[in-house]
Amino acid sequence: GAGVSQSPSNKVTEKGKDVELRCDPISGHTALYWYRQSLGQGLEFLIYFQGNSAPDKSGLPSDRFSAERTGGSVSTLTIQRTQQEDSAVYLCASSLVGSAEQYFGPGTRLTVT
Amino acid sequence: ELKVEQNPLFLSMQEGKNYTIYCNYSTTSDRLYWYRQDPGKSLESLFVLLSNGAVKQEGRLMASLDTKARLSTLHITAAVHDLSATYFCAVEPGSARQLTFGSGTQLTVLP
Repeated sequence: GAGVSQSPSNKVTEKGKDVELRCDPISGHTALYWYRQSLGQGLEFLIYFQGNSAPDKSGLPSDRFSAERTGGSVSTLTIQRTQQEDSAVYLCASSLVGSAEQYFGPGTRLTVT
Repeated sequence: ELKVEQNPLFLSMQEGKNYTIYCNYSTTSDRLYWYRQDPGKSLESLFVLLSNGAVKQEGRLMASLDTKARLSTLHITAAVHDLSATYFCAVEPGSARQLTFGSGTQLTVLP
């Protein structure tokens, strides 16, 4: 079956611009996660959605970062006024309720010039 | 704050040899995961370890978990070139579902 998909696969943007990254989780998965992978910081948790509960935003690095999940499915991660340190691969993962295993998408490589 | 430490960070080994990657973590957890990442690719789940003493094996890889020692190991038996990749351990702390990752071990298997 279809896995987690993300778009775009690559995004180059100028410093100060806003970007939106999209994640389509596996159908039926109610939990959705965003992580960031960068050379300096490794793999970091950003935000977690579970069903209709309030999201866990504890990993968002600044108020320039926000995310929403519409209809319990697709999620969008928005970065406002991008900075060069935002350059990273942004990974989305999803899982079933109560399941331990998270399935990762292919990631979006963001480059801020 | 949960800390997850892997070692070694870089591992170069000959085909046919055995080696172990270690993953230590700093707080109580019964859930530990191993992932593989090939260059330019996403994370592929290898093992899910959910209890003390759990041991799982797939091909030349075997993972174990000791929650009392807060230690997991990934053992490689008779390495082959196809195992060259970066391996991450990740811990799920307490009731939180998000994963905290180790820094990764970049494994290169030489012919």
